[in-house]
Amino acid sequence: DSGVTQTPKHLITATGQRVTLRCSPRSGDLSVYWYQQSLDQGLQFLIQYYNGEERAKGNILERFSAQQFPDLHSELNLSSLELGDSALYFCASSPNGQATNEKLFFGSGTQLSVL
Amino acid sequence: GQNIDQPTEMTATEGAIVQINCTYQTSGFNGLFWYQQHAGEAPTFLSYNVLDGLEEKGRFSSFLSRSKGYSYLLLKELQMKDSASYLCAVGGAGNMLTFGGGTRLMVKP
Repeated sequence: DSGVTQTPKHLITATGQRVTLRCSPRSGDLSVYWYQQSLDQGLQFLIQYYNGEERAKGNILERFSAQQFPDLHSELNLSSLELGDSALYFCASSPNGQATNEKLFFGSGTQLSVL
Repeated sequence: GQNIDQPTEMTATEGAIVQINCTYQTSGFNGLFWYQQHAGEAPTFLSYNVLDGLEEKGRFSSFLSRSKGYSYLLLKELQMKDSASYLCAVGGAGNMLTFGGGTRLMVKP
């Protein structure tokens, strides 16, 4: 158990809908990261927050947004969903937000299926 | 930008040794990670290299050559539970960590 909690584990929805994925980092970690993993692609970095502020942005679509709250949990909002958004979404956390030299602790992921 | 290449699939026999290679091109270099990911599960940290050379940790070792943009993960005394995907990830400029597509390793009896 990494200590990172993601909910829900599975989400099935229809095209055009909006969903919210939730993540609670490990106790003491200040930074959260969101990744998308599709069958035909590796882990794609979406966005990183550190202590409530956005720190880095990757290949995140404009239809997607995220935030980190004062209690350090984070939410990833996906709107106007398309079939191609079906993927496994991982949240990870690290103590100091230094992704390039800190190991990441990953949650068990949310499997999103858009029908 | 960053480009990371690793083989898509490898097969090895239980008890054997396997080497999984990773080559990269990156703007700025701040370290290279290897993660293990069993199917449908979360990636878990295996190793981190920032200086050239070999880091050994039990049955797993990781090697880095910064001048060649090359790393490998060496797994010894393979066990069936080692069947998983192995992800190479490179830390580059701007605190960006980029993952390769992963190498799916199948260990056969």
